[in-house]
Amino acid sequence: DQQVKQNSPSLSVQEGRISILNCDYTNSMFDYFLWYKKYPAEGPTFLISISSIKDKNEDGRFTVFLNKSAKHLSLHIVPSQPGDSAVYFCAASAQTGANNLFFGTGTRLTVIP
Amino acid sequence: DVKVTQSSRYLVKRTGEKVFLECVQDMDHENMFWYRQDPGLGLRLIYFSYDVKMKEKGDIPEGYSVSREKKERFSLILESASTNQTSMYLCASSNDGNYGYTFGSGTRLTVV
Repeated sequence: DQQVKQNSPSLSVQEGRISILNCDYTNSMFDYFLWYKKYPAEGPTFLISISSIKDKNEDGRFTVFLNKSAKHLSLHIVPSQPGDSAVYFCAASAQTGANNLFFGTGTRLTVIP
Repeated sequence: DVKVTQSSRYLVKRTGEKVFLECVQDMDHENMFWYRQDPGLGLRLIYFSYDVKMKEKGDIPEGYSVSREKKERFSLILESASTNQTSMYLCASSNDGNYGYTFGSGTRLTVV
């Protein structure tokens, strides 16, 4: 049962515009959320995270928003650049229990020059 | 910087072969993980380990085993490779209390 869902397998955006990647989760015990970025033939690399005590975290062009009541988070990239083209994975963790991350299925972002 | 090294970038093996995928991390992390990545399925956890000689099954352990004889090394073993094990395999490590993982570059395994 997929506890973390990314319902859009792909997204295309023009360079300079905003990219919005969405993620939904079902487990109310999740309290820490991360986004990873993956280029082909490379491992995922950590991008940005957010704790459940916050509803927004910003790092340069990347902002993650968390809506706990809706069990939804989103990653905003502004402005989008061609180098942002990659697969983005959302991940979640619960403070209690195992130190495990649950990953979504990923969204392939293509930024068109 | 933490480094997680996977021994092979690309492997081609025959059906029925025993396959070893090696992973080494250099930052004394307690936790190590093996995932496989398949299109449309994302990252699925195969096995993980919280300590030397300790292992736990993940979501899809069937057809796999693991070994962690030393803290820095976590090996994934395909006892008898099958074509449905063709995939990208990713190793990761983390410290207790740190929910972020550091991943290796992955091993693209093709079973023919």
